[in-house]
Amino acid sequence: RKEVEQDPGPFNVPEGATVAFNCTYSNSASQSFFWYRQDCRKEPKLLMSVYSSGNEDGRFTAQLNRASQYISLLIRDSKLSDSATYLCVVSSSGNTGKLIFGQGTTLQVKP
Amino acid sequence: DTGVSQDPRHKITKRGQNVTFRCDPISEHNRLYWYRQTLGQGPEFLTYFQNEAQLEKSRLLSDRFSAERPKGSFSTLEIQRTEQGDSAMYLCASSAFDRGEGYTFGSGTRLTVV
Repeated sequence: RKEVEQDPGPFNVPEGATVAFNCTYSNSASQSFFWYRQDCRKEPKLLMSVYSSGNEDGRFTAQLNRASQYISLLIRDSKLSDSATYLCVVSSSGNTGKLIFGQGTTLQVKP
Repeated sequence: DTGVSQDPRHKITKRGQNVTFRCDPISEHNRLYWYRQTLGQGPEFLTYFQNEAQLEKSRLLSDRFSAERPKGSFSTLEIQRTEQGDSAMYLCASSAFDRGEGYTFGSGTRLTVV
């Protein structure tokens, strides 16, 4: 079983749609959680950190459920520019700072 | 430029040759990570440094791979006797982990072994 599991998609949605991505992780000792965005043939870039209380950044909302070891990302009012791969990322236990990446979920927003 | 720099951006090499990649992290970051990413997969951890000390190596890092960070600043990743399976994007990232932040990645080095 992978440490971080995501549905690879692709998710094809029209502009303006709301889309949600989910991710599960196996290490209950993980302390930090992130969503990264990766454009085709580019490096991953931090989209947002994820907190137990949930957090929102504009059209993006992230949620963490520690009991279920489940992380989500909601994108409202999708734009063409949101088309990318979204990587769910979980810290390794201990003090290494090592991050474990999911396979990524591909989003394609269509006009 | 205050970001993470990687050089070269692209490398095509013949099987059996040695290659070396360089990473210059953000100057105040004490941690430096190397990851490998193949098509359709997320980045996979290879190794990391805190200052000049290499603190962990993945089982993915065979004997043909070696990484250094001699003065706690830039780092190099060398692959000896390259194989076609080494073809991937090699990503370097740095962080000031004690600030609890995520990584900043460099643009990566895309290696193609022919």
